[in-house]
Amino acid sequence: DVKVTQSSRYLVKRTGEKVFLECVQDMDHENMFWYRQDPGLGLRLIYFSYDVKMKEKGDIPEGYSVSREKKERFSLILESASTNQTSMYLCANSRGGGTEAFFGQGTRLTVV
Amino acid sequence: AQSVTQPDIHITVSEGASLELRCNYSYGATPYLFWYVQSPGQGLQLLLKYFSGDTLVQGIKGFEAEFKRSQSSFNLRKPSVHWSDAAEYFCAVFQAGTALIFGKGTTLSVSS
Repeated sequence: DVKVTQSSRYLVKRTGEKVFLECVQDMDHENMFWYRQDPGLGLRLIYFSYDVKMKEKGDIPEGYSVSREKKERFSLILESASTNQTSMYLCANSRGGGTEAFFGQGTRLTVV
Repeated sequence: AQSVTQPDIHITVSEGASLELRCNYSYGATPYLFWYVQSPGQGLQLLLKYFSGDTLVQGIKGFEAEFKRSQSSFNLRKPSVHWSDAAEYFCAVFQAGTALIFGKGTTLSVSS
């Protein structure tokens, strides 16, 4: 069964901490994405990557960065966590060319 | 930039009744359109997709959607709703050069 796996389902971090959210795929897809999901706002694109070591900003990149050193792994980094970054974070991948995205289970991050 | 509008935030349907969830998009060319479902605490699962061709597309779990270019709509339908269909539903459009752009979602409740 092909998968997009996020390393944690739940995380609690303190304000100011550097936070790493990890995502691994076993589907050999070129494209990977990080979305943030908040009630009433739907999914908003934070960053995406079309290739190793390549990254592009999405709609809400402020306060975040990403790393893609290997094709199968795409990490989201909160440089200095703040309470307004408390949210559900969803990783996804796709083959590209407008094909569908496949999602991980999500990481619910709480910043206190 | 492309956008997706889901006019209904929350819908309640009786079990066994028919369902229609609305989705409108803004896009200049022929869009790639998607419907996803998210059960509580889960990631997103693809229900169906439209790329081209027949404007009525069939998906999983008995869902279908109809693409209407003249109305810029891609409404999701099911003839008879089951209690297990209670979930949040997201419509999405592929934005060329980036990623899927999602609507804010519609929460479906099913009453007995």
